Amino acid sequence: EAQVTQNPRYLITVTGKKLTVTCSQNMNHEYMSWYRQDPGLGLRQIYYSMNVEVTDKGDVPEGYKVSRKEKRNFPLILESPSPNQTSLYFCASSPSSGGIPLEQFFGPGTRLTVL
Amino acid sequence: QQQVKQSPQSLIVQKGGISIINCAYENTAFDYFPWYQQFPGKGPALLIAIRPDVSEKKEGRFTISFNKSAKQFSLHIMDSQPGDSATYFCAATYFGNEKLTFGTGTRLTIIP
Repeated sequence: EAQVTQNPRYLITVTGKKLTVTCSQNMNHEYMSWYRQDPGLGLRQIYYSMNVEVTDKGDVPEGYKVSRKEKRNFPLILESPSPNQTSLYFCASSPSSGGIPLEQFFGPGTRLTVL
Repeated sequence: QQQVKQSPQSLIVQKGGISIINCAYENTAFDYFPWYQQFPGKGPALLIAIRPDVSEKKEGRFTISFNKSAKQFSLHIMDSQPGDSATYFCAATYFGNEKLTFGTGTRLTIIP
């Protein structure tokens, strides 16, 4: 089944404790991205990657890191989480065409709470 | 200039009625406008998309209307059903942008 998987689905942690949220897609998509969803703010892009070893900042990159060592994986790293990073996180992948992400396929989401 | 403004924030429509969600943008370079539908506990999924070379696109009960001069586009759901209850996001981008800018979302509730 074509899908984007994220782990963990739920995570409660404490301020300053490094964490990684994994994302994997099995559709051979070039483009991958991370978003956070907050009430009243919609979906805001954190980082995106056009291809392996190519990543770029989205609209809200502060406090996050990513890497794209393999085409299928795009982990999101919070080196020192803070309470304002409490949010619902989505990973997405997309076949890219002419530098535009076409239909984006979203994972099921990771609900993160930072105490 | 990358912002996409979406309204209303929430909408309640009676079953069988027409649901209308509006979006406006500033960046005239935008040339691809998708709508995403998100059910509770799920990730968003592409519903319908439009390019600015047409003023309307219809897929079943869902229609996008596009007004290039006003820099606005809207989603119309005809004969709204309880199964349409979800959060809807408009979005915009342009070729070469590599990024998709989303609106703030509309929570739609269809009541019997």
